Amino acid sequence: QVQLVESGGGVVQPGRSLRLSCADSGFSFSTYGMHWVRQAPGKGLEWVAAISYDGSNKYYADSVKGRITISRDNSKNTLYLQMNSLRAEDTAVYYCAKGRSSSWATYFQHWGQGTLVTVSS
Amino acid sequence: DIQMTQSPSSVSASVGDRVTITCRASQSISSYLNWYQQKPGKAPKVLIHAASSLQSGVPSRFSGSGSGTDFTLIISSLQPEDFAIYYCQQSYSIPLTFGGGTKVEIK
Repeated sequence: QVQLVESGGGVVQPGRSLRLSCADSGFSFSTYGMHWVRQAPGKGLEWVAAISYDGSNKYYADSVKGRITISRDNSKNTLYLQMNSLRAEDTAVYYCAKGRSSSWATYFQHWGQGTLVTVSS
Repeated sequence: DIQMTQSPSSVSASVGDRVTITCRASQSISSYLNWYQQKPGKAPKVLIHAASSLQSGVPSRFSGSGSGTDFTLIISSLQPEDFAIYYCQQSYSIPLTFGGGTKVEIK
């Protein structure tokens, strides 16, 4: 049973930083690509970033490129999202999602429950 | 970037109705099209992947079809638990993109 649990969300001032974590208590974390997907309040889904199974390849949406870094620690079965220079428009529920393949070209097979990030002064 | 356009944006239907949701890609994505269901306050759940493959555990009243630029999700007989928002998503190229969603409401 795959279970993804996000943490690290909260209220942060514009321009500040936040790091989200996603712990995978299931199996084969190191086999699959991982993603972050966000959803602004009352809005649709937006893919944010992806990382390959071994961390060697990373991909970002243009809206976050240069401000956000995705990483993973396969020894801890944990995915991270380091968010810097946060803006009001980054306010959203952030979901981690497990892909069905080792790279980015996949559907999101498993999702965490989400963690809310609110950027506000 | 590949734009995904869903229609309708909302649909009112009754239990037992057949519901059809369409998704159009701005360029050909072969069969790299996935469908998700999201209920209020919950994470999305995959229903269909690769345009027409039913995810394990998903009821057979859900079906998907299409290739290239035009895709369809059909709920053959709407059940009370199917009232939700449905999203399509392309996995053909980066950035991965979603459609705007279709809200299925109770008539």
